[in-house]
Amino acid sequence: GQQVMQIPQYQHVQEGEDFTTYCNSSTTLSNIQWYKQRPGGHPVFLIQLVKSGEVKKQKRLTFQFGEAKKNSSLHITATQTTDVGTYFCAGHQAGTALIFGKGTTLSVSS
Amino acid sequence: EAQVTQNPRYLITVTGKKLTVTCSQNMNHEYMSWYRQDPGLGLRQIYYSMNVEVTDKGDVPEGYKVSRKEKRNFPLILESPSPNQTSLYFCASSLRPAGKHEKLFFGSGTQLSVL
Repeated sequence: GQQVMQIPQYQHVQEGEDFTTYCNSSTTLSNIQWYKQRPGGHPVFLIQLVKSGEVKKQKRLTFQFGEAKKNSSLHITATQTTDVGTYFCAGHQAGTALIFGKGTTLSVSS
Repeated sequence: EAQVTQNPRYLITVTGKKLTVTCSQNMNHEYMSWYRQDPGLGLRQIYYSMNVEVTDKGDVPEGYKVSRKEKRNFPLILESPSPNQTSLYFCASSLRPAGKHEKLFFGSGTQLSVL
């Protein structure tokens, strides 16, 4: 079936290190959304990218949408302990319901 | 405050005992959906509703029922729960149906254990 692949599944970093999670689709996405779920919490919308090659920034977070609209990445610069949680990408493929990646769980040690 | 409210937050039950998890949103959203979250499997859609009286199956609908009699409410019903339905459940809503680039608002989740 239609899938959005996300890697890595887990990532542990030292505070201050950078972190990147990648999202890939076998088919073109009409958009990509990113959500963050804190431990014990619920997913919260972070951002949406729609245009080919789009790059958006939110403070230390940089989101990219690939030129072919088949991949996306979330990069966090100089991680902090407040960044811990699971990051999900989600996208629409040709009018389908929103398809979620399996998420990347980030842990940060100080 | 704009929100999606799920109840209960935690539920322990036994196999075969019917249960309902309630979901209500106060944002006048047309689209509502249920997901289950399991370790290593991410968020999987159970059922969704485009509007009142319109519901459809998601990726993992077996063993679940839903109804959408009012715009604000979208209960999830387990007629005969089984242990493989032990999971963390999330209700979510968006202003317009999925496919319209709408962001989802999630409820706080219901942790269900079926013994």
